[in-house]
Amino acid sequence: ETGVTQTPRHLVMGMTNKKSLKCEQHLGHNAMYWYKQSAKKPLELMFVYNFKEQTENNSVPSRFSPECPNSSHLFLHLHTLQPEDSALYLCASSQTTLSTDTQYFGPGTRLTVL
Amino acid sequence: ILNVEQSPQSLHVQEGDSTNFTCSFPSSNFYALHWYRWETAKSPEALFVMTLNGDEKKKGRISATLNTKEGYSYLYIKGSQPEDSATYLCASNMDSNYQLIWGAGTKLIIKP
Repeated sequence: ETGVTQTPRHLVMGMTNKKSLKCEQHLGHNAMYWYKQSAKKPLELMFVYNFKEQTENNSVPSRFSPECPNSSHLFLHLHTLQPEDSALYLCASSQTTLSTDTQYFGPGTRLTVL
Repeated sequence: ILNVEQSPQSLHVQEGDSTNFTCSFPSSNFYALHWYRWETAKSPEALFVMTLNGDEKKKGRISATLNTKEGYSYLYIKGSQPEDSATYLCASNMDSNYQLIWGAGTKLIIKP
């Protein structure tokens, strides 16, 4: 499946670095999501965008900054991260934000913060 | 606070055997239950979305049932094959909101 792509697949960064994660969906969906998965924990929703507007910020620290320039692209800008931010970051999209809509996921970016 | 619990955490099954595992969720204000299959280094793949009590869905050798009154769903795999090895995730919505509450998954390993 190439419906949702994420780059890079792996990222190692220092605590003082600034980097960005990119997500692109080719499904014509209107909603996009960022999730975080830490080892052996459930997926945690971070941000939701619907028609390019942010509709959810789940108390995410400001060192994570999302950007949604259009319905097909979603970025997660990272700066001054902490080692505990090391995790798998997944992007997803869905046609709408209704609870019965399937979310389609990208393969994730494995982030390591040194 | 609501939790979605999955059991067991991991499961080793002999190739050819059938197996099942459980997803438990709060039964109040239930809206939808989602099952996903996640192979290592790949994207989570949607299996089923279930909304009605007593609902049963099937996709090939995989099927799922839903009991919204008691708050659980079972996922069944008939005649397990090596390609079924994956982590199976369930997630529930407690209202029409898009926010899914995820379980930690059941890791299934099929032994040849």
